[in-house]
Amino acid sequence: DTGVSQDPRHKITKRGQNVTFRCDPISEHNRLYWYRQTLGQGPEFLTYFQNEAQLEKSRLLSDRFSAERPKGSFSTLEIQRTEQGDSAMYLCASNPGTAGYGYTFGSGTRLTVV
Amino acid sequence: GESVGLHLPTLSVQEGDNSIINCAYSNSASDYFIWYKQESGKGPQFIIDIRSNMDKRQGQRVTVLLNKTVKHLSLQIAATQPGDSAVYFCAENRLPGAGSYQLTFGKGTKLSVIP
Repeated sequence: DTGVSQDPRHKITKRGQNVTFRCDPISEHNRLYWYRQTLGQGPEFLTYFQNEAQLEKSRLLSDRFSAERPKGSFSTLEIQRTEQGDSAMYLCASNPGTAGYGYTFGSGTRLTVV
Repeated sequence: GESVGLHLPTLSVQEGDNSIINCAYSNSASDYFIWYKQESGKGPQFIIDIRSNMDKRQGQRVTVLLNKTVKHLSLQIAATQPGDSAVYFCAENRLPGAGSYQLTFGKGTKLSVIP
């Protein structure tokens, strides 16, 4: 396992379309996080899973956003009816759940809504 | 709300010199801090972390200093190299048991190394 993998790396979509991103965390990591990063800013927390349970969601996660981790392994993040303001880098991170352990981030999915 | 922020948005240093990147935090409940390096088009890369029961931690060419009295964190990079050019973020977290598991990031400092 070489790290956290995200797919696709880039996605261009028309406004109003739905998009889905996938994240494969490090296999032994039971915690998985989604973050969003806009240009020139630090990543902002969206949501967090421990195994298959979604334990925390940010106020940034509107009703158009949904995330799943059905088997406690990979996760998907879906955005429905995309808006131009959704254009950002979507980052996934994982960690093994040990207190205070650093997070390993993937390379992200760059979403552009036109 | 409470947040993590950085003093300087950009920093230019000569190759071989030492770099110091600063970070101020305001969340008094913060007890775990991480520095990340982010290169263009890539995700943040873990550099070094420190818990609130420490005031200094060293890694390979990097040192993190934590001053809880003034809520200040710094990252020192020794003998800065061109490959160190990137944006550096500090992030804070409350250890499990204190509520949130999320990381709160600052805006970042762009480090440019002059050959």
